[in-house]
Amino acid sequence: DAMVIQNPRYQVTQFGKPVTLSCSQTLNHNVMYWYQQKSSQAPKLLFHYYDKDFNNEADTPDNFQSRRPNTSFCFLDIRSPGLGDAAMYLCATSRAGQGVETQYFGPGTRLLVL
Amino acid sequence: AQSVSQHNHHVILSEAASLELGCNYSYGGTVNLFWYVQYPGQHLQLLLKYFSGDPLVKGIKGFEAEFIKSKFSFNLRKPSVQWSDTAEYFCAVSSDYKLSFGAGTTVTVRA
Repeated sequence: DAMVIQNPRYQVTQFGKPVTLSCSQTLNHNVMYWYQQKSSQAPKLLFHYYDKDFNNEADTPDNFQSRRPNTSFCFLDIRSPGLGDAAMYLCATSRAGQGVETQYFGPGTRLLVL
Repeated sequence: AQSVSQHNHHVILSEAASLELGCNYSYGGTVNLFWYVQYPGQHLQLLLKYFSGDPLVKGIKGFEAEFIKSKFSFNLRKPSVQWSDTAEYFCAVSSDYKLSFGAGTTVTVRA
């Protein structure tokens, strides 16, 4: 089945230690998104890639970066995680340019910062 | 910028009861509306969506939603809930390839 895959499902890191979360998709979608979801809150968009073009949300901290080396993969890098960055990180994809797009979500990576 | 508000933070009901979750949005342009569900421990899944046409939209698992343009609303309904409908429900509006989510409603169905 075509899907959005996130690895790892759980990630523990230390305060200030860089961490990378990964997302891959077999849907061949041209847009990939990263969301942060804290407990009992709505997902909050951090940034997205439209093809190779990176689009950062205005309120996304500089501590968060992203890479998309090819269509299938997208990475979220947190350069110096703080305790407040503990959250579920969701990857989503959509196919833009063919009418209105639906976003498809991966299972998420739960990040714990010690 | 668009915003989405969901009226209920937590709804508790018994099996076979009817469910209605409110959602209002603020956006002056053409909107595309979605309801997503997140079952415990699972990822966000699309329940239904509205782009255009018939304002009454039917989704999976017996859910439906009605788009009322004059009220800026997109309420979710299910006539008879099951225990397995226990989940978090998010309303979202799409613009410029981006989704804005409401705060979510936790629905607990008692057996």
